[in-house]
Amino acid sequence: GAVVSQHPSRVICKSGTSVKIECRSLDFQATTMFWYRQFPKQSLMLMATSNEGSKATYEQGVEKDKFLINHASLTLSTLTVTSAHPEDSSFYICSADNTIGALDTQYFGPGTRLTVL
Amino acid sequence: EDQVTQSPEALRLQEGESSSLNCSYTVSGLRGLFWYRQDPGKGPEFLFTLYSAGEEKEKERLKATLTKKESFLHITAPKPEDSATYLCAVGRGGSNYKLTFGKGTLLTVNP
Repeated sequence: GAVVSQHPSRVICKSGTSVKIECRSLDFQATTMFWYRQFPKQSLMLMATSNEGSKATYEQGVEKDKFLINHASLTLSTLTVTSAHPEDSSFYICSADNTIGALDTQYFGPGTRLTVL
Repeated sequence: EDQVTQSPEALRLQEGESSSLNCSYTVSGLRGLFWYRQDPGKGPEFLFTLYSAGEEKEKERLKATLTKKESFLHITAPKPEDSATYLCAVGRGGSNYKLTFGKGTLLTVNP
């Protein structure tokens, strides 16, 4: 139980294009989903908290117009990186809060490696 | 501001050589302390949640303990497949719930 998927697992795009990443909770409903980015040999940095049916809450320093988050249902959240540039290249990981299992435990997706040329 | 410090940064063990990883934290109103395992190029895999000082949890060769200031992840008789980065995170109580992660401990178990 508590499986989270992400798609795509890897994407390479040209500078200036937009990229959409999907995050799905497969066997539970997630009122809250989170988006992180991780640079090589560094820990996870929270980008935003996404609540179903409402606007995402962004962490300080994260551009909300650049990283668009939509949480349209209890099992799906999407992150769109708009007008991507090489500095946006990173490992993006989503998580979903499974309140049915261990309280407040976040279960993570496998991550999406974004490379912007 | 919540802080999580993990030590050591890296640890090399021989197969069967038991050891412990440390996670020191400061948080206002601990809601939970979490341990995850992360393999290269993958998302973190959930291991344990601890809620209050004195609590312990076990899973196979791993045992997590919690005090008011730190948590330990004890690894008993590790195997090469236990090699990974182990991440510790704390969640604070309140309306704006989120996790603060440490930088992790890279564990390498040699056969």
